[in-house]
Amino acid sequence: QVQLQESGPGLVKPSETLSLTCSVSGYSISSGYYWGWIRQTPGKGLEWIGSIYASGTTYYNSSLKSRVVISIDTSTNQFSLKLTSVTAADTAMYYCARGRGVHIDPWGQGTLVTVSS
Amino acid sequence: DIQMTQSPSSLSASVGDTVTITCRASQSISNYLNWYQHKPGNAPKLLIYAASSLHSGVPSRFSGSGSGTDFTLTISSLQPEDFATYFCQQTYTSPTWTFGQGTKVEIK
Repeated sequence: QVQLQESGPGLVKPSETLSLTCSVSGYSISSGYYWGWIRQTPGKGLEWIGSIYASGTTYYNSSLKSRVVISIDTSTNQFSLKLTSVTAADTAMYYCARGRGVHIDPWGQGTLVTVSS
Repeated sequence: DIQMTQSPSSLSASVGDTVTITCRASQSISNYLNWYQHKPGNAPKLLIYAASSLHSGVPSRFSGSGSGTDFTLTISSLQPEDFATYFCQQTYTSPTWTFGQGTKVEIK
């Protein structure tokens, strides 16, 4: 079955760049669908960060757009998130997921990223 | 932006109870509403899509209803494995997504 797995540093210093990768197995990301990043914080709940289509077209949350870049690498079947100039407010559980048009399925298990010096 | 308001934020229930969770959209989203179950340490799981369609493999005690702005998730005969957090999501504006704040279902 399709599985997604997030990876990346669990600790990032303030003002630096958060970089995460989502590895997809059981499905070729070049075949279609949207691939997205979502984060969860105690204070704001679930927040959509952005999505990328197999073609490379991106969509970003307007509140994060100036700091986010999502990219896709079909050769490795992965997509990535970069979030620049992080602060403590970016401390969250980060999830990657596949968007199948009208719903998201599946999700990754998530990875906790803490922003701290 | 479409806002999703979910209630209650938490509830306590016993095994065998029927529980109802509501989700309200700030504007009409037709039936572009999904429900997910989330347990700590696990990936969120899709339960209901398009407001009332049961995802493959999901027990029939889960059901969804509603359209427009008001939606409901009902869990009939609550089972021990159902204690989790449930959240709604609108995909009317897909591929941009908005989520409800979540409802934690706890054991009474």
